[in-house]
Amino acid sequence: EPEVTQTPSHQVTQMGQEVILRCVPISNHLYFYWYRQILGQKVEFLVSFYNNEISEKSEIFDDQFSVERPDGSNFTLKIRSTKLEDSAMYFCASSGGLKRAGELFFGEGSRLTVL
Amino acid sequence: SQELEQSPQSLIVQEGKNLTINCTSSKTLYGLYWYKQKYGEGLIFLMMLQKGGEEKSHEKITAKLDEKKQQSSLHITASQPSHAGIYLCGAVLLYNNNDMRFGAGTRLTVKP
Repeated sequence: EPEVTQTPSHQVTQMGQEVILRCVPISNHLYFYWYRQILGQKVEFLVSFYNNEISEKSEIFDDQFSVERPDGSNFTLKIRSTKLEDSAMYFCASSGGLKRAGELFFGEGSRLTVL
Repeated sequence: SQELEQSPQSLIVQEGKNLTINCTSSKTLYGLYWYKQKYGEGLIFLMMLQKGGEEKSHEKITAKLDEKKQQSSLHITASQPSHAGIYLCGAVLLYNNNDMRFGAGTRLTVKP
């Protein structure tokens, strides 16, 4: 069964360092998302991406964040200069299209720890 | 304020008991979705409800949508330890939009 894969599963970084989280969405999907979940808290929307551009972003997704789909298969989230409060589980998701909008397929997540 | 309120926040039931989890939206719903998350793992899609009055079932889990009240309920019959996890309702809150927002989740524990 097709699945969304994320790497790394866990990354530890120093505050101020750049981090790139990688995702391989399901191959025929058109919409891509990043969510984050701070430990013990709710799953929060960060950004959605369609047709090679950001379609929506939340207030969390500030200038420190960027997304890219560099090669037609990977979908990356970059955090330019990490802060302690960026420590969270980051989930990538993809969906097939507008009619199945909410049927998101999630990866297992990348746990980011900022020291 | 929360766009999606879930209740209860946590629930502990004895195996075999029925239970209900509720989700209420403060905005018009353009689709209501239920997901399950096991601790530290990704979210697994359970069901999608799009029309008022719609009811769907998957194994022992039934979800209903009351569009007028902007509410959905998830009902588990004869709960089993395998049902344990965090249940999240998600909703698309903008028309012709793909972006999913989630409630805070309901943590379900099923005691054998």
